[in-house]
Amino acid sequence: RKEVEQDPGPFNVPEGATVAFNCTYSNSASQSFFWYRQDCRKEPKLLMSVYSSGNEDGRFTAQLNRASQYISLLIRDSKLSDSATYLCVVNVLGGNKLVFGAGTILRVKS
Amino acid sequence: NAGVTQTPKFQVLKTGQSMTLQCAQDMNHNSMYWYRQDPGMGLRLIYYSASEGTTDKGEVPNGYNVSRLNKREFSLRLESAAPSQTSVYFCASSNRDSVREQYFGPGTRLTVT
Repeated sequence: RKEVEQDPGPFNVPEGATVAFNCTYSNSASQSFFWYRQDCRKEPKLLMSVYSSGNEDGRFTAQLNRASQYISLLIRDSKLSDSATYLCVVNVLGGNKLVFGAGTILRVKS
Repeated sequence: NAGVTQTPKFQVLKTGQSMTLQCAQDMNHNSMYWYRQDPGMGLRLIYYSASEGTTDKGEVPNGYNVSRLNKREFSLRLESAAPSQTSVYFCASSNRDSVREQYFGPGTRLTVT
């Protein structure tokens, strides 16, 4: 079983739509959680951290459910520029390594 | 301030050839990482260096060696390339106290025939 699992998609949505991705992680010792964004043929970049209480950054909302060991990312009012692969990332307590999911592809169409 | 740079951007090797991928960062980061990315597999850690002078194996170290030449530079060597090493290789760096944000280089696309 992969340590971090994501639905690969693609999610094809129209501009202005709301879309949500989920991610599950297997290591209950995981302590820190993040979403990275990767554009086609580019390097990954940090999108946002995920906090236990949930957090927002503009149109993006991230939530964590420790009991069920899943993380979610909600994007409201999708833009064409949101088209990318979204990587779910986990850090285990005390480690200086990140574990990356394989990513979910989002395509926003006009 | 260039961030993380990698050379080369593209490389084609024949099976059995060797090569070194170069990585440098100018952000004074302590930690550096080498990943490979394959379709459907996500980023997998090959080796990392928590600080100058130390290196540790990641998830998929077989067939690779690394050198942390100084604080800025972290190279990855393929001694005898195999087709299974065809991949996109990313170098990354982070502050020791802020592992959450790793800064990635633009990647090296390697094909082994």
